[in-house]
Amino acid sequence: QVQLVQSGAEVKKPGSSVKVSCKASGGTFGGYGITWVRQAPGQGLECMGGIIPLFGTTNYAQKFQDRMTITADESTSVVYMELTSLRYEDTALYYCARVGTGGGTDAFDIWGQGTVVTVSS
Amino acid sequence: SYVLTQTPSVSVAPGKTARIPCGGNNIGSKSVHWYQLKTGQAPVLVIFYDSDRPAGIPERFSGSNSGNTATLTISRVEAGDEADYYCQVWDSNSDQRVFGGGTKVTVL
Repeated sequence: QVQLVQSGAEVKKPGSSVKVSCKASGGTFGGYGITWVRQAPGQGLECMGGIIPLFGTTNYAQKFQDRMTITADESTSVVYMELTSLRYEDTALYYCARVGTGGGTDAFDIWGQGTVVTVSS
Repeated sequence: SYVLTQTPSVSVAPGKTARIPCGGNNIGSKSVHWYQLKTGQAPVLVIFYDSDRPAGIPERFSGSNSGNTATLTISRVEAGDEADYYCQVWDSNSDQRVFGGGTKVTVL
């Protein structure tokens, strides 16, 4: 069974960038997509964007389109999410989640353990 | 964009049934998925495509979807079911996946 293992917690200053990784352990991404979802303190879940590693195709929520880049390294089964120009409100728990590519209706069937990103001066 | 509305909290006694609604305009025409979030743990998919259960999810978890409301039902509630539950759909208009605001289930 594939597991998604994320990189460790990060503390960043406002205006800087953060890069979080998500590795498929015990398998590969196959034809699945990986989406990044975040949860700010006391808030709900928010989809940020995703990638289909096999093809490198990406899709970003409009809110993050200018500041977010998602990349994939198929050879190592790792997906990266970089968020630039960090603001205090980017402080959140960031998850990667696996999703089918049969259409937007597929569910997130496997999730990473989450990575805490704290933006603090 | 498409909006999903969830009751912020639901309280239920052990052994009873918890019903967690998720409201949306004509949500019955969409496929709804449900996730369980516990602090310090990875989220878990508990219901997909309105009413299907992934392997390993107890039969106590069930789902329905019709009209403007989808519902996650937890029968014979146990203490371990205490968690936040989120509904999610795909909004074809914006080509984005959308979550509800989440419902905190408290077992009394």
